[in-house]
Amino acid sequence: KQEVTQIPAALSVPEGENLVLNCSFTDSAIYNLQWFRQDPGKGLTSLLLIQSSQREQTSGRLNASLDKSSGRSTLYIAASQPGDSATYLCAVRPGANSKLTFGKGITLSVRP
Amino acid sequence: DAGITQSPRHKVTETGTPVTLRCHQTENHRYMYWYRQDPGHGLRLIHYSYGVKDTDKGEVSDGYSVSRSKTEDFLLTLESATSSQTSVYFCAIKGQGNTGELFFGEGSRLTVL
Repeated sequence: KQEVTQIPAALSVPEGENLVLNCSFTDSAIYNLQWFRQDPGKGLTSLLLIQSSQREQTSGRLNASLDKSSGRSTLYIAASQPGDSATYLCAVRPGANSKLTFGKGITLSVRP
Repeated sequence: DAGITQSPRHKVTETGTPVTLRCHQTENHRYMYWYRQDPGHGLRLIHYSYGVKDTDKGEVSDGYSVSRSKTEDFLLTLESATSSQTSVYFCAIKGQGNTGELFFGEGSRLTVL
């Protein structure tokens, strides 16, 4: 059974810092991995999706990488801003028609 | 924006009453999902649908039923609500194409007293 772990559960950094959020999964046979952002009281917003054949995806200040062999993905946020404060979740899809397995998320606080 | 609307957004009800949450989508997506989100448990799949009248159970389906009589609507019903079903419920759809990207609604906060 696929398990997805995100450690630490919470992180606080000063504004302007470059940071990396980690996501680990137990089964390397995945179809894709998706990163989400969730603001308090809101739904999940899709940030980046990496297919199993890809190594990374970029969107603005965000870069997500995937290393299937080690069961890891990282979300890199460049020049963090207070507006980046939110909970970031990763989710793994084992197969094309499989259901997603979610991590519990990392709550990020960026201090002005 | 995947055109997902959940209703109601907030509901308070009493133990033993029936509750129905509605998810409406405007883009003809085939796959729709209902999740619940609770502190310490994260997101857990309740039920999902892969077409009109085609539904299946997720990992926490006990106490819940679903129906999908039209492509655009996916209903989640709690036949007799319990306090353990107090949660935030999210509807999601799988986008078109082969990526399998998931898009979520804004959530429905349910409190069962």
